[in-house]
Amino acid sequence: AQKVTQAQTEISVVEKEDVTLDCVYETRDTTYYLFWYKQPPSGELVFLIRRNSFDEQNEISGRYSWNFQKSTSSFNFTITASQVVDSAVYFCALSEAGGGTSYGKLTFGQGTILTVHP
Amino acid sequence: DTGVSQNPRHKITKRGQNVTFRCDPISEHNRLYWYRQTLGQGPEFLTYFQNEAQLEKSRLLSDRFSAERPKGSFSTLEIQRTEQGDSAMYLCASSLGAGEWGEQFFGPGTRLTVL
Repeated sequence: AQKVTQAQTEISVVEKEDVTLDCVYETRDTTYYLFWYKQPPSGELVFLIRRNSFDEQNEISGRYSWNFQKSTSSFNFTITASQVVDSAVYFCALSEAGGGTSYGKLTFGQGTILTVHP
Repeated sequence: DTGVSQNPRHKITKRGQNVTFRCDPISEHNRLYWYRQTLGQGPEFLTYFQNEAQLEKSRLLSDRFSAERPKGSFSTLEIQRTEQGDSAMYLCASSLGAGEWGEQFFGPGTRLTVL
């Protein structure tokens, strides 16, 4: 069975600090996809990134960066120079890619509440 | 097409009543998913459709829950004989496919409160 663990329930930082959100996953599949979603106070989940299990190259997009390490089953997310608008709940998610009927459904972690203070 | 839409946004009902929610996916997306999110938790998968075929149902989806996607377009989720434990946010998402095309776009959700 798949499982995603986000051990940090809440993180509070001051604006301009860097912050890393941790994500650890479990799966028996050799091919899978990892995702990060942001849920701002408005409630709508916003897609941030998708990574497949064969691509361990780290990715940077503006102030956001992601570190995928298969050896430790982790897919961590770093926000550099955080801003108040980054305040939200962030979810890490995993989907299988085995081609069976479960193909594509997302298993989410519990989420990390990030609060960025001015 | 501006994204996934869900109606109603909020629903308050009394225990024992039936409720129905609607989801309109992004028009070219053939996959449609339903998730449930309770306070302080991540979304949990309920069911999904590929076109009009319902391919998987979670064990969370009791017999009181039924979902349809006629003609592979919009979808409805019905809950019969609602219970207080059904109170949650019901999220709909759609995607062009799975895997490399598996980016799921979420709607704003329907918040259900069962009194």
